[in-house]
Amino acid sequence: DAMVIQNPRYQVTQFGKPVTLSCSQTLNHNVMYWYQQKSSQAPKLLFHYYDKDFNNEADTPDNFQSRRPNTSFCFLDIRSPGLGDAAMYLCATSSERQGGFQPQHFGDGTRLSIL
Amino acid sequence: EDQVTQSPEALRLQEGESSSLNCSYTVSGLRGLFWYRQDPGKGPEFLFTLYSAGEEKEKERLKATLTKKESFLHITAPKPEDSATYLCAVPSGSRLTFGEGTQLTVNP
Repeated sequence: DAMVIQNPRYQVTQFGKPVTLSCSQTLNHNVMYWYQQKSSQAPKLLFHYYDKDFNNEADTPDNFQSRRPNTSFCFLDIRSPGLGDAAMYLCATSSERQGGFQPQHFGDGTRLSIL
Repeated sequence: EDQVTQSPEALRLQEGESSSLNCSYTVSGLRGLFWYRQDPGKGPEFLFTLYSAGEEKEKERLKATLTKKESFLHITAPKPEDSATYLCAVPSGSRLTFGEGTQLTVNP
């Protein structure tokens, strides 16, 4: 089945130690998103790629970066994680070629813990 | 600023007890409304898209409806496996604006 796959499902890192989360998709969607979701809160968009074009949200912390080397893969890099960065990180994809706003399809997330 | 408000925050039902979840929105130029289901520790699972007032979509025990100001997710004769958080979202610029969700618990 076509899907969005996130690795790892659980990640533990130390305060200030860089960490990379990965997302791959077999849907061939041109848009990929990274969200942060804290307990009992709505997902919060960090940034998205429309094809190769990177779009950063204004309130995304500077220590969050992303890479999209090709259509299928996207990475979230947290350069110096703080305790407040402990959260679920969700990757999502959508296809915008048809016009209009298409539903986003989510992976199962990476639960990040900071020691 | 676009806003999405869901109510109630939490809802407990007995198995078979039908009810509705509400999603009210304020958005300039609705381009669709999405319903998602999210189980604990998992990503949101897409359920429905509604594009215009009066539209209805159904899937098993769920039916979503849309008016010009709000959407309802009706759950008919729910089962324990329907327990989850239900999120609604509307496009806002190039992003989705999510509501905070309704946490539904269905007791056997």
